[in-house]
Amino acid sequence: AAGVIQSPRHLIKEKRETATLKCYPIPRHDTVYWYQQGPGQDPQFLISFYEKMQSDKGSIPDRFSAQQFSDYHSELNMSSLELGDSALYFCASSLSLGEGTGELFFGEGSRLTVL
Amino acid sequence: AQSVAQPEDQVNVAEGNPLTVKCTYSVSGNPYLFWYVQYPNRGLQFLLKYITGDNLVKGSYGFEAEFNKSQTSFHLKKPSALVSDSALYFCAPYSNSGYALNFGKGTSLLVTP
Repeated sequence: AAGVIQSPRHLIKEKRETATLKCYPIPRHDTVYWYQQGPGQDPQFLISFYEKMQSDKGSIPDRFSAQQFSDYHSELNMSSLELGDSALYFCASSLSLGEGTGELFFGEGSRLTVL
Repeated sequence: AQSVAQPEDQVNVAEGNPLTVKCTYSVSGNPYLFWYVQYPNRGLQFLLKYITGDNLVKGSYGFEAEFNKSQTSFHLKKPSALVSDSALYFCAPYSNSGYALNFGKGTSLLVTP
């Protein structure tokens, strides 16, 4: 079965650079979520989108932005990168609450290292 | 609002023994509760959920959880632990917004041979 696809899987950037992560949800899933998990930390919810509109906002820094496109894929843009942004970034997708049962399907993550 | 607490940072169990990973919840209204597992350097995987219905919920990999309203608990259990069950386990509520799951502090399960 198709899963959530994230790219790139690994990314190395310098401080103050910009990075873009991509997420392709499971077909028919219309809701996308982004999470950040630092080393030894719990996953922190950043932001989510439903039908291309932001649906919920978590602890996403102002330097980060995200959007969901017409084909439902999503991109997380991170600017002015800091050392503390080094983390595993997960994307998850789900059916909308009215259609699904609330469970999230996670990708394998994109590991960002900021030097 | 819905929130959960996992009182144990780590649980150690010998292979073949039963395991329990604890979760208590605090909700207003009907709780929607989930268990997820995370293996090292992998994404979280859904194990099971409680929405309504039977208090005993069966999930993936032989896990089950019992919803106990009087004790406001939703403990994860397995009759016989495997070494491959060693992972990080998260209990999570569904937010009132209906979309986001906030994963709090998980519990690290270590199953020793």
